[in-house]
Amino acid sequence: NAGVTQTPKFRVLKTGQSMTLLCAQDMNHEYMYWYRQDPGMGLRLIHYSVGEGTTAKGEVPDGYNVSRLKKQNFLLGLESAAPSQTSVYFCASSTSQNTEAFFGQGTRLTVV
Amino acid sequence: KQEVTQIPAALSVPEGENLVLNCSFTDSAIYNLQWFRQDPGKGLTSLLLIQSSQREQTSGRLNASLDKSSGRSTLYIAASQPGDSATYLCAVRPGGGNKLTFGTGTQLKVEL
Repeated sequence: NAGVTQTPKFRVLKTGQSMTLLCAQDMNHEYMYWYRQDPGMGLRLIHYSVGEGTTAKGEVPDGYNVSRLKKQNFLLGLESAAPSQTSVYFCASSTSQNTEAFFGQGTRLTVV
Repeated sequence: KQEVTQIPAALSVPEGENLVLNCSFTDSAIYNLQWFRQDPGKGLTSLLLIQSSQREQTSGRLNASLDKSSGRSTLYIAASQPGDSATYLCAVRPGGGNKLTFGTGTQLKVEL
């Protein structure tokens, strides 16, 4: 039972490079989320989706884009990576807004 | 703006001790509150979800309570074990909202 799977698990980027983080869930959840976790700041919501084909901005959306072309996948893109985007990124999903959220194992991204 | 605080930031206890972790939030208009566990370098594992209409939830040695009017939740861990060592995070979901607001966590160490 895979749950929420994130790829890749680790990545090092040079400033200005682009990349896409993939989140896949096999629980048929409607809601999906991207968070970043930084020391001393807790987890902060980047973008989220309430269903296939929808996306919305969270707390810290600048510098990121997302797409939800298929219900089971939620992609997070960095068009031009900056050192300030060095962080651990977590994807999560839930059936609805008032149900339990399940998290992936995280992607550790370093931008040099 | 909702703010979630967890005190203490770190806690060390001897094995077998019962302990309480605290979570407070500034806006009582929440939909639910969720407790997570995070092991070093890993993702978040959901422990308990309490809906706003509930007072407490139990799972094994864990018991979470919610006092919405005072903006507080506690996570009680009975008979602590070294395997309980982890960071414990609480998160609240606002009424009608889609994002979880996280505290910065309590790092628990249970010593032999």
